[in-house]
Amino acid sequence: DAGITQSPRHKVTETGTPVTLRCHQTENHRYMYWYRQDPGHGLRLIHYSYGVKDTDKGEVSDGYSVSRSKTEDFLLTLESATSSQTSVYFCAISEEKGRETQYFGPGTRLLVL
Amino acid sequence: QKEVEQDPGPLSVPEGAIVSLNCTYSNSAFQYFMWYRQYSRKGPELLMYTYSSGNKEDGRFTAQVDKSSKYISLFIRDSQPSDSATYLCAARAGTASKLTFGTGTRLQVTL
Repeated sequence: DAGITQSPRHKVTETGTPVTLRCHQTENHRYMYWYRQDPGHGLRLIHYSYGVKDTDKGEVSDGYSVSRSKTEDFLLTLESATSSQTSVYFCAISEEKGRETQYFGPGTRLLVL
Repeated sequence: QKEVEQDPGPLSVPEGAIVSLNCTYSNSAFQYFMWYRQYSRKGPELLMYTYSSGNKEDGRFTAQVDKSSKYISLFIRDSQPSDSATYLCAARAGTASKLTFGTGTRLQVTL
């Protein structure tokens, strides 16, 4: 998984609670991404980062925030989890050169009850 | 209409068959095309990457892009049970633009 770890790998939480997912990379890549994967929708970009403290929104960013205080870590926070945020979340990274190719982590399965 | 369309399958083939997986896209600006393989409960892994039109071969895998018809294909020769996975196509316009994924085609190679 290209030196990418995600934690936790599985989580069950209740509606209305905040949840933070962590992505950690050992590749020193500049770009990091958070996606969610749902049946019928494929992979959809939530947020991405192009450097420490530099982040931007993707196509499904409502209800999510991110932070990147170190090159190796990219955090995704669900501010107040809803059942519609039940999904599999993937982190991805890419280099400065060749950003057209992204490498994915193993994923986090989140269930919001 | 989604920018990248992909038949979800499942596609079931016998071992040794040639598999053809396809995607269509609508954005003429797409220049970079990728195929990812995703095993059950795993993250997608990059399988093939091509720039613009043409073919690219890597072992049993051939990626083909026809920009005139906006068609992306992945061919797998001598398919193996270990090829059973979901295959995702993806495209992007430039290095500064986001990656757009198809929904994936589930392939099952049977003994």
